[in-house]
Amino acid sequence: KAGVTQTPRYLIKTRGQQVTLSCSPISGHRSVSWYQQTPGQGLQFLFEYFSETQRNKGNFPGRFSGRQFSNSRSEMNVSTLELGDSALYLCASSMGLAATGELFFGEGSRLTVL
Amino acid sequence: AQSVTQLDSQVPVFEEAPVELRCNYSSSVSVYLFWYVQYPNQGLQLLLKYLSGSTLVKGINGFEAEFNKSQTSFHLRKPSVHISDTAEYFCAVSDDPGTYKYIFGTGTRLKVLA
Repeated sequence: KAGVTQTPRYLIKTRGQQVTLSCSPISGHRSVSWYQQTPGQGLQFLFEYFSETQRNKGNFPGRFSGRQFSNSRSEMNVSTLELGDSALYLCASSMGLAATGELFFGEGSRLTVL
Repeated sequence: AQSVTQLDSQVPVFEEAPVELRCNYSSSVSVYLFWYVQYPNQGLQLLLKYLSGSTLVKGINGFEAEFNKSQTSFHLRKPSVHISDTAEYFCAVSDDPGTYKYIFGTGTRLKVLA
């Protein structure tokens, strides 16, 4: 069974540009969550989607957005990139409604903003 | 708002010695607690979780954790570590069963020495 796949794995952008990251969840998983990981801050919740609907959102500015498609694949977009957006962006999928199950993480997309 | 504290950013320990990684959370309301491990250049993997019931939870790779409601703690232990346990360990909490918005600690880097 294939795991969570994130693309691209590495990317470099300059300030002011925008970026789109993609996440393909494990087959059958309907929930996709996104986290930002930075040294010293740990993982910070960005948003969660379930059946194409945003179910929860973290405390990030509106430059951060996401969506989920009917096949459960998800994308997140960051517009007007800032240096502080450099981070590892992790996507995680899970099966269902109750948040007591396991989150399955991808290997992440490492974004460097110059 | 819920918060998670992992007081130790780094823990060096000799191979075959016991280890305890500390985790405290802020609220004593009903919570779900998790420990995840991240190996270099990989995503996070669930070690164990506490949802309800027995306060001693056993996980994979010989790890266990004890839920202490009065001290709002969920410390992770292993009686004898191996070199392969070298990784970063994250404690996470959720107080909302309806979503996967987890609050993660900043992580503890476990370094096992030969």
